[in-house]
Amino acid sequence: DADVTQTPRNRITKTGKRIMLECSQTKGHDRMYWYRQDPGLGLRLIYYSFDVKDINKGEISDGYSVSRQAQAKFSLSLESAIPNQTALYFCATSDLSLSGPGSSMIDEQFFGPGTRLTVL
Amino acid sequence: RKEVEQDPGPFNVPEGATVAFNCTYSNSASQSFFWYRQDCRKEPKLLMSVYSSGNEDGRFTAQLNRASQYISLLIRDSKLSDSATYLCVASGAGSYQLTFGKGTKLSVIP
Repeated sequence: DADVTQTPRNRITKTGKRIMLECSQTKGHDRMYWYRQDPGLGLRLIYYSFDVKDINKGEISDGYSVSRQAQAKFSLSLESAIPNQTALYFCATSDLSLSGPGSSMIDEQFFGPGTRLTVL
Repeated sequence: RKEVEQDPGPFNVPEGATVAFNCTYSNSASQSFFWYRQDCRKEPKLLMSVYSSGNEDGRFTAQLNRASQYISLLIRDSKLSDSATYLCVASGAGSYQLTFGKGTKLSVIP
């Protein structure tokens, strides 16, 4: 089974509808993230959470909200979807670990398979 | 202002060729650096971390130049399976909040 799962994998909806994207992980990581990816723009951070009681805005949080229901679950909501929110959405998890020469602290992120959202 | 810049390509190279990707980052406080690989319509996956001393993993070599704020990835003896988009990534000052470049597309042709 995949360590990071996202549901749904594909969704088509209409302008003004409320949409929730869900992410679950079995990696036991404290940190979770939501990104969107658009052609020509790369990955952009929407929200991130370092533990159940911690929620932080990322680069492009307007029009989105999140909920960290448990360590393993992090959901993204679009309260009133609009066409320019059409994108590929990725959830990711991470945990600090020691790696490399000198045992540097790194924060490797593991991504879910993505949700392709189309807003008409 | 994009914080991580990389050549979008595409790079079309024959099998067996050596190809190099370059990347610059603007945040001098960045602590961690990575190369991720992303196949079409798939999630990004970590290819390798990048250290100041450089690191090598098989056919892949990554280099970091902090003074120039420059990161590179060298792929030797390219395989068809190397065809993908390669994402250059730099962390923020706190070693989290990764900033992704837009990616460089590589196509290895027979």
